[in-house]
Amino acid sequence: RKEVEQDPGPFNVPEGATVAFNCTYSNSASQSFFWYRQDCRKEPKLLMSVYSSGNEDGRFTAQLNRASQYISLLIRDSKLSDSATYLCVVKRLGKRDDKIIFGKGTRLHILP
Amino acid sequence: DTAVSQTPKYLVTQMGNDKSIKCEQNLGHDTMYWYKQDSKKFLKIMFSYNNKELIINETVPNRFSPKSPDKAHLNLHINSLELGDSAVYFCASSQGTSVRGAQYFGPGTRLLVL
Repeated sequence: RKEVEQDPGPFNVPEGATVAFNCTYSNSASQSFFWYRQDCRKEPKLLMSVYSSGNEDGRFTAQLNRASQYISLLIRDSKLSDSATYLCVVKRLGKRDDKIIFGKGTRLHILP
Repeated sequence: DTAVSQTPKYLVTQMGNDKSIKCEQNLGHDTMYWYKQDSKKFLKIMFSYNNKELIINETVPNRFSPKSPDKAHLNLHINSLELGDSAVYFCASSQGTSVRGAQYFGPGTRLLVL
């Protein structure tokens, strides 16, 4: 089982709709969680960190569920510009160094 | 006002050659990383340096050698390039090694080995 798993999609969603996707992680020692977005042929860009209490940034809401070991990203009132691949990132302290694991990403297509 | 920059943006070379990719960040961060994103878009960490000291070294062939002349630069040298090295290489930086620190990525270097 991979340490970080995401549904690869694609999620095809009409503009204005709400879409949500999850990312599961297998190591309960995972400590920090992030969502990045990556546009085609571009670098990953930080979208938001994910805090235990959940956090919101405009139309985006991130949640962490430690008991079930997943994080989620909710996008409300989706825009065409939200079309991208969304990468889940999990960090934890290893024996000698930090472990930083990226999920393979979920592709989102917003349809006009 | 580029934050993390990489050169070159594209690199096409023959198998067996040696090449270098350079990375610089002007964010004042003290930790820098190299990632490889293969054709299946899987992003995997290769190395991490904190204040010029290697702190993460994943299972990477020793043909890959990172060098950090100062905390604003992390270069990647690759010897004896192989076809399987073709990928996009991203440099990133963060402040500190705290597990909470988010990373900021450069635009990537697209390497094609023929």
